[in-house]
Amino acid sequence: QSALTQPASVSGSPGQSITISCTGSSSDIGGYNYISWYQQHPGKAPKLMIFDVSKRPSGVSNRFSASKSGNTASLTISGLQAEDEADYYCSSYTSSSTVIFGGGTKLTVL
Amino acid sequence: QVQLQESGPGLVKPSETVSLTCAVSGYSIGSAYYWGWIRQPPGKGLEWIGTFYHGGSTYFNPSLESRVTISLETSKNQFSLELRSVTAADTAVYFCGRGIVGATGGFDYWGQGTLVTVSS
Repeated sequence: QSALTQPASVSGSPGQSITISCTGSSSDIGGYNYISWYQQHPGKAPKLMIFDVSKRPSGVSNRFSASKSGNTASLTISGLQAEDEADYYCSSYTSSSTVIFGGGTKLTVL
Repeated sequence: QVQLQESGPGLVKPSETVSLTCAVSGYSIGSAYYWGWIRQPPGKGLEWIGTFYHGGSTYFNPSLESRVTISLETSKNQFSLELRSVTAADTAVYFCGRGIVGATGGFDYWGQGTLVTVSS
């Protein structure tokens, strides 16, 4: 299974908003609402930020929001902060009952 | 507080089998819908390895399916990963994760990861 497609990098200044896209197919993103987003700081385990397309786990800032349109999911971070600088990964459940991750996006806060 | 802790050999020779364990505390392993393993080669992205569902169903990454086994040990509140015939390409940090309660596919709690290096 091929990885979901994410931009390799995005950047933004503090206070700004950025959006990270995640493109798949009708067999994964387009076919299910089981899309998750993870934040990973260097040397750390991934942290769940979004699940079921747009739900935030308890404790995750409401600056993080997400949506889906067709075969593309998107993560938006508003009011960028220095601590948001990290790698972000999307993942989706698939029609084969497997899980697929995106290639990851490095967010730089300028 | 839910905590997961991976453990394993660290260094494995090519063609051998690596066995990893994920010890779970603060939550009964029999209560979650699913548990899984994910890995990350040095400097690269996340790769899903497989998921064990309540009831015993297991699903694996097609690229690894022929070499992987995941099993639960409810009496010890832990689950394990066995990866056979390893090569240098299997060098990675291996993470274990708890399936999101009430959801499907994602993982809400992760271990800190354990590095497995395949080298002779």
